[in-house]
Amino acid sequence: GIQVEQSPPDLILQEGANSTLRCNFSDSVNNLQWFHQNPWGQLINLFYIPSGTKQNGRLSATTVATERYSLLYISSSQTTDSGVYFCAVGSNQAGTALIFGKGTTLSVSS
Amino acid sequence: GAGVSQSPSNKVTEKGKDVELRCDPISGHTALYWYRQSLGQGLEFLIYFQGNSAPDKSGLPSDRFSAERTGGSVSTLTIQRTQQEDSAVYLCASSRGPALGYTFGSGTRLTVV
Repeated sequence: GIQVEQSPPDLILQEGANSTLRCNFSDSVNNLQWFHQNPWGQLINLFYIPSGTKQNGRLSATTVATERYSLLYISSSQTTDSGVYFCAVGSNQAGTALIFGKGTTLSVSS
Repeated sequence: GAGVSQSPSNKVTEKGKDVELRCDPISGHTALYWYRQSLGQGLEFLIYFQGNSAPDKSGLPSDRFSAERTGGSVSTLTIQRTQQEDSAVYLCASSRGPALGYTFGSGTRLTVV
């Protein structure tokens, strides 16, 4: 099946810093999503981005499907950005569910 | 409803007992997914329902696990003869269709003692 690798596994930032999270995948995809899991366990959908670039406030994401990677950018980080960021992909095989990477754990301190 | 609703939010059960977990997806969402997240781990796919198609059960870890979705809406995940390794957070998500954005519920934390 499709493999999803996220890097770095852990990231520690001071408030105000910028960061880039990476997601590599092993096969063609028709679905790619980024999620944030907050410290209480709730998973929030950040982006649905099988290709191209999107921005939402301080967050933006880019997926280069032909090169099989996606990047999540966090600018001017805040303590509320702390948590685990997951990349999840669905392959071009019809009707498949998302496969999740192991996540990047982000800690932002004030 | 406005979001994906899961119940119960917490469940403690004795080893060997059966449990049922419920998921009520967003109205109109045809796709429904169950995942499991063990402590400190990523999300493990369990089962996927899409409309009236046969479900994708390829992620179910053993025949003690089963799920159904009645009337294309509410889904129930059943775990028979629970074991301690079944302890995890069980998460349900729904989407408007396949290959579209997911919305997750808050999960059911299952503890088998």
